Amino acid sequence: GAVVSQHPSRVICKSGTSVKIECRSLDFQATTMFWYRQFPKKSLMLMATSNEGSKATYEQGVEKDKFLINHASLTLSTLTVTSAHPEDSSFYICSAGGSLAGEYGTQYFGPGTRLLVL
Amino acid sequence: QKEVEQDPGPLSVPEGAIVSLNCTYSNSAFQYFMWYRQYSRKGPELLMYTYSSGNKEDGRFTAQVDKSSKYISLFIRDSQPSDSATYLCAMSVGKLIFGQGTELSVKP
Repeated sequence: GAVVSQHPSRVICKSGTSVKIECRSLDFQATTMFWYRQFPKKSLMLMATSNEGSKATYEQGVEKDKFLINHASLTLSTLTVTSAHPEDSSFYICSAGGSLAGEYGTQYFGPGTRLLVL
Repeated sequence: QKEVEQDPGPLSVPEGAIVSLNCTYSNSAFQYFMWYRQYSRKGPELLMYTYSSGNKEDGRFTAQVDKSSKYISLFIRDSQPSDSATYLCAMSVGKLIFGQGTELSVKP
C-alpha cells in the first residue's frame, strides 16, 4: 500500500499559539488529501478535503479560519491550527486518496498527530 | 439514522477463535467498501477493499459484501493477540464514511 507520513507525531503547545501539521505522501502523488479529527474511542470525523492547487472544502461545523489547510503540491498538505485552545486537543490524522492499483475511492492514512494544548 | 452503523463492542475472544465484524448501511450510492484496522494511538491501516457483492479473501481475513441487504462483514480466522485493535468499516461515495469502529481484544 501507499505510505503517508505526518509530522510531528505529537505536539504540546500553549493556549493561543498556532501549530502546523504536515502530511506527505511518500511514494505516490495525491491529488486529494483529507484531514480528520478523532476523539478517544470515537470514529474519525472528516474536517476537510483538500485538492492540490485549490481551496479546501470544509465539513459543516468546521471553522475554516481556525483550521487552515494548504495543499501546495501533490505530495504535501498542511493543517495549521490557529490560536489553539485546550478544546482543540485531539488526534489529527491525514489521508491521501487516489486511484491506486484500481482501489478507487480508498484512502491511505498517516500515523496521526496528537495535539495537546495547555 | 446514521449512514453507517457498527457495533462498537468491545468484543473479547480467545486466541484461535473466528471473529465476525459487521456493518450495515443505508445509502445505496456506496460503491466501494473497506475495512481498516487501527491500533491505539496510530492511524488506520487499510485491510480489505471490495467493490462488488460477494467474498474476498486475503490470508486470515475475508471481507463479505451483500449489497441487497446493505450489509458488510469482516471475518478473521485463527485470531491472534496481535489482531487486538479497533476495526473500522468505511464506505466511499466521494469521501469515506466510517462506522464507529469495533474494539476487538484477542486473549492468549
